[in-house]
Amino acid sequence: AQTVTQSQPEMSVQEAETVTLSCTYDTSESDYYLFWYKQPPSRQMILVIRQEAYKQQNATENRFSVNFQKAAKSFSLKISDSQLGDAAMYFCAYRGLYNNNDMRFGAGTRLTVKP
Amino acid sequence: EAGVVQSPRYKIIEKKQPVAFWCNPISGHNTLYWYLQNLGQGPELLIRYENEEAVDDSQLPKDRFSAERLKGVDSTLKIQPAELGDSAVYLCASSERAGSPLHFGNGTRLTVT
Repeated sequence: AQTVTQSQPEMSVQEAETVTLSCTYDTSESDYYLFWYKQPPSRQMILVIRQEAYKQQNATENRFSVNFQKAAKSFSLKISDSQLGDAAMYFCAYRGLYNNNDMRFGAGTRLTVKP
Repeated sequence: EAGVVQSPRYKIIEKKQPVAFWCNPISGHNTLYWYLQNLGQGPELLIRYENEEAVDDSQLPKDRFSAERLKGVDSTLKIQPAELGDSAVYLCASSERAGSPLHFGNGTRLTVT
């Protein structure tokens, strides 16, 4: 079964600085998708960024970018120019393409942004 | 487009009572998910529907939990009877097709006293 591990329960960053959240996963599949979701206190899970495993180029969405290392099964999220509104729980998620279409989540990292 | 709609937002019940949650997915999304999220943890899948068919309910505690999606659109998740350990957030999500991102509702926070 696929598992997703986030080893940082909490992270803190100064406003305008850069922070990196770590994520590793375990799978025997070759094709899959990886996601980062943000969950503010409102509870709604908001998609931050998505990476297709067959793409070597790292995905980027404005201030958010990923470092995808397929061989190492690592998928970290970098937030540049951190803003107060970035404070939230961040979840890394894996979704298989064929055999298992379910999305599996890590335990999450709570990000605090200091003014 | 309208997002995934869930109701109620909050629910407080006494143990052994029944409770039901409702979810209306994004129009055109054939896949619907129910997730359980305990405090400080990531969501865990309870059941996944492809149209009206439950294709993965292996994590659903079938002795007390049930779900339905009769017309392949909105869905209801029921717990009967509720236990103290069922206190959690219940999230509904939908997706357009395989590999598409999941779109989540705001969830229902259940408190069992």
